[in-house]
Amino acid sequence: NAGVTQTPKFQVLKTGQSMTLQCAQDMNHNSMYWYRQDPGMGLRLIYYSASEGTTDKGEVPNGYNVSRLNKREFSLRLESAAPSQTSVYFCASSEQGRGEETQYFGPGTRLLVL
Amino acid sequence: QQQVKQSPQSLIVQKGGISIINCAYENTAFDYFPWYQQFPGKGPALLIAIRPDVSEKKEGRFTISFNKSAKQFSLHIMDSQPGDSATYFCAASRETSGSRLTFGEGTQLTVNP
Repeated sequence: NAGVTQTPKFQVLKTGQSMTLQCAQDMNHNSMYWYRQDPGMGLRLIYYSASEGTTDKGEVPNGYNVSRLNKREFSLRLESAAPSQTSVYFCASSEQGRGEETQYFGPGTRLLVL
Repeated sequence: QQQVKQSPQSLIVQKGGISIINCAYENTAFDYFPWYQQFPGKGPALLIAIRPDVSEKKEGRFTISFNKSAKQFSLHIMDSQPGDSATYFCAASRETSGSRLTFGEGTQLTVNP
């Protein structure tokens, strides 16, 4: 059981380039999330998917798009990267998307935009 | 606007001491308050959680104290160990928003041997 996996682990982009961050979970969870972590700001929700086929904006969605490819996979796309998107990105999943559920996090993707 | 505010930003404690991290929230609709622990280079992992119908929850050396009237909750780590050195995040959610979590800013805890 790998849990939540993320690729790549580290990426350097130039301003204006695009990329897709990949996330997969093998726990048969319905809900998946993308967060960004910045110093002094905690983790902020970018997008989430309550179930396969649905996605919703979180706290900081501007500049990002997501795709819930199937139950296992949830990708995050930066269409035109900006230095303000330099961050550590975490994907997470939870079983049913209910209030008291544990969220399981991946190891993160460190993104540097020059 | 940060709906969950966490302090201190960093904390240094001697081995065997008590570590205390505080959080305050604004939204009275929050009804679930977890703490996540994150080691360097890793993703956060659930440490302990509480609902507002109890004032305290203890799991081993870790205790959450909850004050509903003050809209505050805190994490106490008793007999702190160097292995507890990590970043700790408080969070809050409400049932009607599913398991969407609002996180505090994080506290970097260092426990010196």
